[in-house]
Amino acid sequence: KAGVTQTPRYLIKTRGQQVTLSCSPISGHRSVSWYQQTPGQGLQFLFEYFSETQRNKGNFPGRFSGRQFSNSRSEMNVSTLELGDSALYLCASSPLPGSGEKLFFGSGTQLSVL
Amino acid sequence: AQSVTQLGSHVSVSEGALVLLRCNYSSSVPPYLFWYVQYPNQGLQLLLKYTSAATLVKGINGFEAEFKKSETSFHLTKPSAHMSDAAEYFCAVSAYFGNEKLTFGTGTRLTIIP
Repeated sequence: KAGVTQTPRYLIKTRGQQVTLSCSPISGHRSVSWYQQTPGQGLQFLFEYFSETQRNKGNFPGRFSGRQFSNSRSEMNVSTLELGDSALYLCASSPLPGSGEKLFFGSGTQLSVL
Repeated sequence: AQSVTQLGSHVSVSEGALVLLRCNYSSSVPPYLFWYVQYPNQGLQLLLKYTSAATLVKGINGFEAEFKKSETSFHLTKPSAHMSDAAEYFCAVSAYFGNEKLTFGTGTRLTIIP
């Protein structure tokens, strides 16, 4: 069974650009969560999606957005990139909402903003 | 609100020695606690979880953790360190069982000395 797949693995952008990251959950998993990991702030929850609807949102500015498709794949978008957005973005999937103890994480997308 | 504090951002132990990674939590409700491990260039892997069933929780790779309400602690231990244990370890808390929104500690990097 394939794990959580995140693409691309590495990304380099410049300030002001926008970026889209992709996450394919484990087959059969319908809930997808996103986390940002930085050396200074650690791991921080971005948002969670189920049935193409955002269920939960962390304390991030509106530049950070996401969506989920009918096949449970999810994308997150960051507009008007800032240097501080450089981070490892982790996606996690679980079978259903409320099964967070069964979260499985992908290897992440390393975003560098120059 | 929930939070966790991990004492010691870096811990070094000799191969074969006891591993002790400290985590203290703060929660206004009975917490659900987790330990995750992150190997270089990889996502997070669940080591173990506390969901109020038993105070001593056994996880994968020989790790265990004990929930102590009186000390608001959930320290991670392993009797004998192995070189393969070198990684970063994160303690996390969620507000209720199954919640995908986890609050993570800042992490402890474990180094094993041959």
